[in-house]
Amino acid sequence: QQQVKQSPQSLIVQKGGIPIINCAYENTAFDYFPWYQQFPGKGPALLIAIRPDVSEKKEGRFTISFNKSAKQFSLHIMDSQPGDSATYFCAASPRGGGFKTIFGAGTRLFVKA
Amino acid sequence: KAGVTQTPRYLIKTRGQQVTLSCSPISGHRSVSWYQQTPGQGLQFLFEYFSETQRNKGNFPGRFSGRQFSNSRSEMNVSTLELGDSALYLCASSLTTSSGELFFGEGSRLTVL
Repeated sequence: QQQVKQSPQSLIVQKGGIPIINCAYENTAFDYFPWYQQFPGKGPALLIAIRPDVSEKKEGRFTISFNKSAKQFSLHIMDSQPGDSATYFCAASPRGGGFKTIFGAGTRLFVKA
Repeated sequence: KAGVTQTPRYLIKTRGQQVTLSCSPISGHRSVSWYQQTPGQGLQFLFEYFSETQRNKGNFPGRFSGRQFSNSRSEMNVSTLELGDSALYLCASSLTTSSGELFFGEGSRLTVL
């Protein structure tokens, strides 16, 4: 019940493509769903986050789609660029518990120039 | 504003030794959490400290321990090192325990030979 399942494990797209990364959770106590971006040699950095009271959130070229009934959420990267090549982690945390954040296994994205 | 600082960045130890890793959180942040990152297991929660008290602990053996000082700096210790302890150890700070956003350091990469 504490797992967050992320897919795919890796993804290769052409520049300008729209990679989509999917995550699913089981615990309905989760109420904060962030995505983190990690470049080699760096720690993860918060990219965008959503709470379950909205179905979609956009920040620049990054969009989270959230389906509360299906307990799924996904990250879309519009007009992807080579600089977006990184590992992306979805995560979920319960109300009042940032330190209890559970991370997905990660998706390694490569955007071809 | 300085970010999360972790030291040392890289270290090599042999089986049976012990290691201490240090983390200085962002100024004003009182919550520090530790994660172990490995290619096979992703980001695994170790423990979290707030106001010098351990608030939550992940599913790791007792060889893994930590503490937090009055200035919010934190250390984690791994005793009797095993080969499987080789990993990137990430520290994350947040303003409070209820804050969803985690700010990660660049990690300490431990290799156990």
